[in-house]
Amino acid sequence: EAGVAQSPRYKIIEKRQSVAFWCNPISGHATLYWYQQILGQGPKLLIQFQNNGVVDDSQLPKDRFSAERLKGVDSTLKIQPAKLEDSAVYLCASSFRDLGSTIYFGEGSWLTVV
Amino acid sequence: AQSVTQPDIHITVSEGASLELRCNYSYGATPYLFWYVQSPGQGLQLLLKYFSGDTLVQGIKGFEAEFKRSQSSFNLRKPSVHWSDAAEYFCAVVSMEYGNKLVFGAGTILRVKS
Repeated sequence: EAGVAQSPRYKIIEKRQSVAFWCNPISGHATLYWYQQILGQGPKLLIQFQNNGVVDDSQLPKDRFSAERLKGVDSTLKIQPAKLEDSAVYLCASSFRDLGSTIYFGEGSWLTVV
Repeated sequence: AQSVTQPDIHITVSEGASLELRCNYSYGATPYLFWYVQSPGQGLQLLLKYFSGDTLVQGIKGFEAEFKRSQSSFNLRKPSVHWSDAAEYFCAVVSMEYGNKLVFGAGTILRVKS
């Protein structure tokens, strides 16, 4: 079974530039998550989708971050404009359904903002 | 406020020695409990989970964890550590009280000396 796929794996951009990350969840998984992991901290949930609807985006900085999952399958997370403090690993994850299902993580997209 | 605490930032053990990583949570009701492992440059892998029932749960790679309601703890253990266990370990919690979000602790970095 293929895992959660993410790209790009690494990205370096200057502050105020934009960046987009792509995620393809495990086939059949209805729930998709984006987490931000800053160095030395545990992952923090940014946004959760159930199919193509947003379940929770309470911790997404909406002035600069956006995410979509238009067809209920793959998803894109965008940052525009980037700030230095956005340097982190962006982890995509998916699960078959919501509560009670195992959440599977991708390898992450490493962002450095200089 | 709800939280997940991993008191030890770093732990060093000798290869072959036993291991215990601590995790405490502060939620009113019993949440769902997880342990994940993250190797350098990799995503998160689920080691084990507790939803209900037997308070001692077995996971992959020889790990186990014990849920103690009276102590609000879910400590991870392994009887004999291998050099390949060196990684960062995250305790995580899902609570229905707080929107079913997976909330992570800050992590414990395990170093194994030969």
